[in-house]
Amino acid sequence: GEDVEQSLFLSVREGDSSVINCTYTDSSSTYLYWYKQEPGAGLQLLTYIFSNMDMKQDQRLTVLLNKKDKHLSLRIADTQTGDSAIYFCAESLKEGYSTLTFGKGTMLLVSP
Amino acid sequence: KAGVTQTPRYLIKTRGQQVTLSCSPISGHRSVSWYQQTPGQGLQFLFEYFSETQRNKGNFPGRFSGRQFSNSRSEMNVSTLELGDSALYLCASSTDRDNSPLHFGNGTRLTVT
Repeated sequence: GEDVEQSLFLSVREGDSSVINCTYTDSSSTYLYWYKQEPGAGLQLLTYIFSNMDMKQDQRLTVLLNKKDKHLSLRIADTQTGDSAIYFCAESLKEGYSTLTFGKGTMLLVSP
Repeated sequence: KAGVTQTPRYLIKTRGQQVTLSCSPISGHRSVSWYQQTPGQGLQFLFEYFSETQRNKGNFPGRFSGRQFSNSRSEMNVSTLELGDSALYLCASSTDRDNSPLHFGNGTRLTVT
């Protein structure tokens, strides 16, 4: 079955690193995604990783994938107040690249 | 390049009515997917269209339907609205190549009273 779980809330201080964690259950996942949602807006694609990769870095963002434990994390370096938002982890399956299963989202609050 | 455009941004309807939401994908994107977002259920997949054909469908009642036109624009329709249909409806498009992620629009906020 498909299930993606995330912690609901994370609070950090500006300048610190943030780490948002996600676990998924379907071992046939092909791509894993991180999306950001600000109030009143849609989903903004942050980054994604193919399931045969361990790590991907994109500027302040680092994605780590532990396929054995089905664990995905997103690290945001030098977190800014503008990073405050809800972050969603999502997985897609080989049968449907456009069919994503999302976690419930992690609300990141960055305080000055 | 323009992003995914959804219209209208906000809608207020009464129980029992029907509603049509519109989505224009990113130019060159042929796959369009629809998702429903509610506080209780989170983000749930409704359906996906590619080349004017529904390719995948989520677990929603038949009151939810959609279609895609030859220019890849898509509409979704909800008939006999219920209070529980109040949600943010998000459209996403992709090129449908293996490494093509979904790009979402800003959504249509539907309120059913």
